[in-house]
Amino acid sequence: LAKTTQPISMDSYEGQEVNITCSHNNIATNDYITWYQQFPSQGPRFIIQGYKTKVTNEVASLFIPADRKSSTLSLPRVSLSDTAVYYCLVGDSSNNNDMRFGAGTRLTVKP
Amino acid sequence: DVKVTQSSRYLVKRTGEKVFLECVQDMDHENMFWYRQDPGLGLRLIYFSYDVKMKEKGDIPEGYSVSREKKERFSLILESASTNQTSMYLCASSPWRAGQEETQYFGPGTRLLVL
Repeated sequence: LAKTTQPISMDSYEGQEVNITCSHNNIATNDYITWYQQFPSQGPRFIIQGYKTKVTNEVASLFIPADRKSSTLSLPRVSLSDTAVYYCLVGDSSNNNDMRFGAGTRLTVKP
Repeated sequence: DVKVTQSSRYLVKRTGEKVFLECVQDMDHENMFWYRQDPGLGLRLIYFSYDVKMKEKGDIPEGYSVSREKKERFSLILESASTNQTSMYLCASSPWRAGQEETQYFGPGTRLLVL
């Protein structure tokens, strides 16, 4: 199973750009990289997913270097409501038993 | 929108009781999952199912069993609840799309307290 490493916590201020990096040194050829966001007392929800280079949606951007051994979730101009735990997952969707959540990164946005 | 519902938000049970946690999804997803979440440990996979009547163990299946008699419903069973099973339980579902990555859709969670 691909293992991921993320910082345990990060602090930021409103309006700043936040970058959370995830290391996945043993990523396999078929693996995708997926990020989830979880607010207190709620289940995680999907934010963004990518395989290589850059992916952008209305919520975030995901940067993946050529070697794919890491990825960076970028949240532009965060607000207090972005305070949450962010999880990076790496896995092969063709193998149902392949995806695992780690401990995640707890992002705290301050006024 | 995908909707995943769980039968209870909060549940209090006594040690030794048999506990049923129900999960229902309305999007005809093939895959369903049960996780537990504890402080500092993230989400840990208990069991998952990729089809009706099919089940696979996750990382921490001990003390749990599951049932999937219908595609939309996935039940987690604690045969004899113990205090170390006090936790937040999260159910998720995902579609299976050949050649594409799946994303999981989560329910709101059930916070179980075993006394």
